[in-house]
Amino acid sequence: DTEVTQTPKHLVMGMTNKKSLKCEQHMGHRAMYWYKQKAKKPPELMFVYSYEKLSINESVPSRFSPECPNSSLLNLHLHALQPEDSALYLCASSQGLVNTEAFFGQGTRLTVV
Amino acid sequence: EDQVTQSPEALRLQEGESSSLNCSYTVSGLRGLFWYRQDPGKGPEFLFTLYSAGEEKEKERLKATLTKKESFLHITAPKPEDSATYLCAVRTGANNLFFGTGTRLTVIP
Repeated sequence: DTEVTQTPKHLVMGMTNKKSLKCEQHMGHRAMYWYKQKAKKPPELMFVYSYEKLSINESVPSRFSPECPNSSLLNLHLHALQPEDSALYLCASSQGLVNTEAFFGQGTRLTVV
Repeated sequence: EDQVTQSPEALRLQEGESSSLNCSYTVSGLRGLFWYRQDPGKGPEFLFTLYSAGEEKEKERLKATLTKKESFLHITAPKPEDSATYLCAVRTGANNLFFGTGTRLTVIP
């Protein structure tokens, strides 16, 4: 089973709202990722967690706040977003950070109005 | 600076017309090159992992190869259902995993 589950599939939020995206995997993977993907562009890395600790933060604005409560779960808390933050947000996981492929969820389509 | 470039940006093939997609990379310490397929509005689907020059992997109509500077994804006798965006990604010495720009493949019946 190489399944990464993301919820919700779609989200519409106002610029003053607070919302969270959730990601879950049960493959025993110890690395988890958040990517942002705009239309017709490749996924852009936002955050990487390794063994539940933040390993990489690609200079993401503080209105995006990641959280890794345990080895199976990854959240992305959203607050005071801008319309340009509308995108497909993808979660992925891998066994580790070295020499291993990542498996992706189906994404959350976020629209900020 | 690490770079991954894919070409062509878009490719239209007749059904059965074989071709190759290219992924050129310049990275500090390659720790794996990965091919993914992505359908519109969906997450990338893992296809292949390549670690060292000379390595080849095959799956149905797809074959991936790796040299020290580039990787090719060969598509033999494609079908319309192979239409998708094909992405390559690399792991670097910084343990990053970042993507090339992708090739949008359309296979016409």
